[in-house]
Formats: sequence, structure tokens, C-alpha cells
Amino acid sequence: KNQVEQSPQSLIILEGKNCTLQCNYTVSPFSNLRWYKQDTGRGPVSLTIMTFSENTKSNGRYTATLDADTKQSSLHITASQLSDSASYICVVRVDNYGQNFVFGPGTRLSVLP
Amino acid sequence: EAQVTQNPRYLITVTGKKLTVTCSQNMNHEYMSWYRQDPGLGLRQIYYSMNVEVTDKGDVPEGYKVSRKEKRNFPLILESPSPNQTSLYFCASSFPGTRNTGELFFGEGSRLTVL
Repeated sequence: KNQVEQSPQSLIILEGKNCTLQCNYTVSPFSNLRWYKQDTGRGPVSLTIMTFSENTKSNGRYTATLDADTKQSSLHITASQLSDSASYICVVRVDNYGQNFVFGPGTRLSVLP
Repeated sequence: EAQVTQNPRYLITVTGKKLTVTCSQNMNHEYMSWYRQDPGLGLRQIYYSMNVEVTDKGDVPEGYKVSRKEKRNFPLILESPSPNQTSLYFCASSFPGTRNTGELFFGEGSRLTVL
């Protein structure tokens, strides 16, 4: 069964600190993996996409990694800001043809002043 | 501005009173989809559409209907809402196929409460 798991379920950090969110997936065939950021009461917005051949990709203070062998991805946030408080959702696209996605449950991040 | 627009954003209704949540996108996307989001369960797909007049069930279609008469619009219909349909609903759209990465563009959400 295709499945995406995320950890931790929730996380509280102080402003300025770094953190890492984890995503483990069992999805076949694998097309790509996206991290979405969802602010409270808003729709998810794509942060970054990882394809099979990519190991690391940065988008400002966000750095995503992908290990296709172990089927794990991480999202590292550097020098956190209050505006980083949100849910982060890992989404794996199953194939290149249709629009079959498997959603993780999300990690709720709270950044405190 | 490229966007997915949902209406209403908030709605309180009573059991059995038919309602429609509209969704419109201005990006000429073929693919559109509806999700519900509940605490601890994440996003679950209700229905999706690969193009005009082509719709299919997602993971949790019971109690919902959809139609896709135009490319830009994909309304979600609750014929007889029940309290277990109280949830936060999202519409999303995308370009499908091998030429695209499948990024989903989400609306702002519609919070529905059924009493």
C-alpha cells in the first residue's frame, strides 16, 4: 500500500533555531516528492520539489534532501522565523502520467519568540 | 493573478440542506480535485477530474457529487449534508501528464459546519 509518514507530528522551537522535518514514503512507482507549506486557515503552497536524481535542493532558508534508496526525505529550516509557523506536508506523486498523489499527515511547526 | 477561488469560505448549515461549494481556476489547468482536511487525518481526496466531462472518485467520495461542465469550474455538491461532513475543504488544480511536475495549486479553503 502506498503510504507517506511524517515526523514529528508537531514541533515547537524558538525563533532563530534550526529544525528538521522528516518524511518516509513507501510509494511505487515514484515520480517526485514535494514539500508544501500550509499556513493556518490557508491552502498549501509548494516549497520545493525533489525528483529521483536529486539529493539536495535549497529554497532560501529551506533545504530539502532526498534519499531514494532509503525512501526518505527531510526538510531543514535554518534560522527559523515566526512566519515559519505552519504545517508542512510531504506529498509523493506516484507516476508521471496521471495525477496520483499520496499525502503525508503533515508536521505542525510552531516558532515562538 | 493565477489563482484557485473557492466560495463560500465559511458556511454553517443544517443536516439535509443541499449546498454547493464552487471552485474556479484561471490557469487553464486540465486537472482539478477536491480534498477534505480533518485533524490528524491530513488531506484526503474526494473527487477529481482529468478534463471537462471526465470525473472520478477519490478516496472518500460518499455523500458528495461533482460536475465538470467547463474547464475552469469544478463545483462540489453535498446533496444531503450530515454532521460527519463538517470539515475544511480544498479545491486544487494542476497540469497533468509527463511534461509537468504535477504541482498542485490550492484554493484558500472552505470551512463547512453541518449542525
